[in-house]
Amino acid sequence: DTAVSQTPKYLVTQMGNDKSIKCEQNLGHDTMYWYKQDSKKFLKIMFSYNNKELIINETVPNRFSPKSPDKAHLNLHINSLELGDSAVYFCASSQAGRRQPQHFGDGTRLSIL
Amino acid sequence: EDKVVQSPLSLVVHEGDTVTLNCSYEVTNFRSLLWYKQEKKAPTFLFMLTSSGIEKKSGRLSSILDKKELFSILNITATQTGDSAIYLCAVEPSYEGAQKLVFGQGTRLTINP
Repeated sequence: DTAVSQTPKYLVTQMGNDKSIKCEQNLGHDTMYWYKQDSKKFLKIMFSYNNKELIINETVPNRFSPKSPDKAHLNLHINSLELGDSAVYFCASSQAGRRQPQHFGDGTRLSIL
Repeated sequence: EDKVVQSPLSLVVHEGDTVTLNCSYEVTNFRSLLWYKQEKKAPTFLFMLTSSGIEKKSGRLSSILDKKELFSILNITATQTGDSAIYLCAVEPSYEGAQKLVFGQGTRLTINP
């Protein structure tokens, strides 16, 4: 009965490859987010979707492309992976328009060799 | 630019001690401040604060917000080893659409038995 689930939990790959991370939430929320947490533990927002529509798009290289097939899913595709992409990527969800907290998944640790 | 600064960055205390974690912020059009606890995986929600001077309490944890001085504190009394974690503070600026959180760098709290 996990609320926000991400797959895979770990991803080890070589520079230049393309990879995807999937996220699903069963909380009935209408807004989903992707965050990047670097080695210094800073969590920074990357994208947000509300009802499948892109709402927040921070300064992120266009090698990163989010896709939301429906409001319960938000996937992150990364092209041409670089060493600096190594981080933990967190998915989160919330109910927009109300003062409700965001709920986070367990994260995907991406390591680029 | 919206900014959140937490202090101390790291804190080591003995079980049973009381700790106070600090969070100061600069944000355009403040909406709310949130505290999260991050152990090994997902940040888990602790408190959301929107009004000055009203203490939020949950067991041994409590938090209060000062919107005039732009800071919040998180208190933990009678600490236990299970309180060891990174505590993250985030502010939510008023923003059309999704909830956009700006996180601090976290305080790493270690409770020794």
